[in-house]
Amino acid sequence: DGGITQSPKYLFRKEGQNVTLSCEQNLNHDAMYWYRQDPGQGLRLIYYSQIVNDFQKGDIAEGYSVSREKKESFPLTVTSAQKNPTAFYLCASSIVGYQETQYFGPGTRLLVL
Amino acid sequence: AQSVTQLDSQVPVFEEAPVELRCNYSSSVSVYLFWYVQYPNQGLQLLLKYLSGSTLVKGINGFEAEFNKSQTSFHLRKPSVHISDTAEYFCAVSDRGGYQKVTFGTGTKLQVIP
Repeated sequence: DGGITQSPKYLFRKEGQNVTLSCEQNLNHDAMYWYRQDPGQGLRLIYYSQIVNDFQKGDIAEGYSVSREKKESFPLTVTSAQKNPTAFYLCASSIVGYQETQYFGPGTRLLVL
Repeated sequence: AQSVTQLDSQVPVFEEAPVELRCNYSSSVSVYLFWYVQYPNQGLQLLLKYLSGSTLVKGINGFEAEFNKSQTSFHLRKPSVHISDTAEYFCAVSDRGGYQKVTFGTGTKLQVIP
């Protein structure tokens, strides 16, 4: 079955620690996205990538970094510079040019200890 | 730049009653419009989308939405809700042409009461 997987489901971060969230897709999509979801704020775009080895900042990129070394993978690192990282993180993918139809993973909930 | 407004953060409705979830958007150009559904602790799933053509769009699970350009609205409706429709619903908009990011609304939680 084609789809998007995110791991882990829950992640705990200590103060000053960097953590990496995994996102893998086998839909053969070129475009991938990371969103942050907070209660009452909907989804906000962190980073997106339309092709391997290229990515663009979204609306709230500060304190986050990404890489796109493979078409199937788009990991997100939450750095120690992100002062309020507690949120639900969603990864999505789409066909380039068809960004209106995005397929979402199940999400990772990040909590700060 | 585009924006989306979902005025109702929560909508309680009795089972088998009709429901309408409101969505208004603003954009200086033509747009694509979507509704996504999110069940607890899960990702989002596309419910329906308006790209062009008929302004009445039918989606999965018996939902439909109507694009009203003059009122800049894209309200979601279902004539008879079921317990399993309890979820959060997000309206989203994207400008047409080239790569344009999708902007999501703040969501409406639909609570179906048995």
